[in-house]
Amino acid sequence: AQKITQTQPGMFVQEKEAVTLDCTYDTSDQSYGLFWYKQPSSGEMIFLIYQGSYDEQNATEGRYSLNFQKARKSANLVISASQLGDSAMYFCAMREVDNFNKFYFGSGTKLNVKP
Amino acid sequence: EAQVTQNPRYLITVTGKKLTVTCSQNMNHEYMSWYRQDPGLGLRQIYYSMNVEVTDKGDVPEGYKVSRKEKRNFPLILESPSPNQTSLYFCASSLTGVHEQYFGPGTRLTVT
Repeated sequence: AQKITQTQPGMFVQEKEAVTLDCTYDTSDQSYGLFWYKQPSSGEMIFLIYQGSYDEQNATEGRYSLNFQKARKSANLVISASQLGDSAMYFCAMREVDNFNKFYFGSGTKLNVKP
Repeated sequence: EAQVTQNPRYLITVTGKKLTVTCSQNMNHEYMSWYRQDPGLGLRQIYYSMNVEVTDKGDVPEGYKVSRKEKRNFPLILESPSPNQTSLYFCASSLTGVHEQYFGPGTRLTVT
């Protein structure tokens, strides 16, 4: 079974609007971490935001917030006020602490921001 | 400047010719990891290391070797590369296994 599922291969959003990128995960661990990374067309991987499985509040970092719904095993990324520079691939990832800190990535969502 | 470096950035080689991709970090991180990125599959973990002399298999370790003799270096070795190892490879490091990872710039490998 896939550990991380991102069901939106590609998305469009109008500049200045908010967008939600979906991510669901599969783990039996009690302790895990969830991450989002951005990969622009230049290829580098940029860390955006982190949510721990025991964190009760949703994580926020500037325009990025993580909508963490533990019972549903979802960790959606919300980008507010989209900018042209947000056009990139976005990857959801999970670290299983109880499983020797192995990391799993989803297949990614390509976001295009339209002017 | 805090960074993860990889060399080479681009490599074209032939089947069976042993190669090494180097990875080095200057942040005194304990955790280091190698990934390969293929279209439609995202990143898949090859090997990781929790600390010096401690390495373990990720999801796709077949055909790869690693070593961690020093904290800052974590080379990826392909003893006998095959065309199905053509991919984009990333090295990453983090302070410990529970922190966010910082990625190198990537190495694009083509095996013919």
